[in-house]
Amino acid sequence: QVQLVQSGAEVKKPGASVRVSCKASGYTFSSNTIHWVRQAPGQRLEWMGWINAGNGNTKYSQKFQGRVTFTSDTSASTAYMELSSLGSEDTAVYYCARGFRPGTTSELDYWGQGTLVTVSS
Amino acid sequence: SYELTQAPSVSVSPGQTARINCSGDALTKQYTHWYQLKPGQAPVMVIYKDNVRPSRIPERFSGSISGTTVTLTISGVQAEDEADYYCQSADSTGTYTVFGGGTKLTVL
Repeated sequence: QVQLVQSGAEVKKPGASVRVSCKASGYTFSSNTIHWVRQAPGQRLEWMGWINAGNGNTKYSQKFQGRVTFTSDTSASTAYMELSSLGSEDTAVYYCARGFRPGTTSELDYWGQGTLVTVSS
Repeated sequence: SYELTQAPSVSVSPGQTARINCSGDALTKQYTHWYQLKPGQAPVMVIYKDNVRPSRIPERFSGSISGTTVTLTISGVQAEDEADYYCQSADSTGTYTVFGGGTKLTVL
């Protein structure tokens, strides 16, 4: 069965960077996109963008452009999200999710369990 | 920027029908997908492409669209359906994805 397993919780200081991993199993990793979505406390889900796990092409939300980087390692079936210049407003649960179809409008048919990132001095 | 609108909360008794709406100007141009979020669990897709139910999702979940409003319907609500439900769609050009504000379903 398809599974996405994310790395554990992180606590970071303002201005630092964080990297979250998302290990996929149960399907051919390079055949799909991986989307990243976050949810700050009491806020709605917020889409950050996607990466084509096979060829590394990316699409970033304008809000995060220049501050976020998605990468993928096909040999490890793992996707990564790195967010830099962290501020308190980046405190959130970060999710990875598989895009069923290529592109931005795809449904997200399987999700990781989420990674809590806390930014605090 | 484009936004999707959902009511903050819906309450129903077990066995009743819950209807959760999502409104947005571009919903006639872009598909809508629905997700169930429970605390401490991975989100689950319950409906995609407006009205398609994944095979692993119970038949009591269905989706429909009327104009610029899409509706997630849960017939015969059970206690285990208590969760937050989010709609997802895209702007009219498909440039970016947006989520609704979420609806908390309470089973009385």
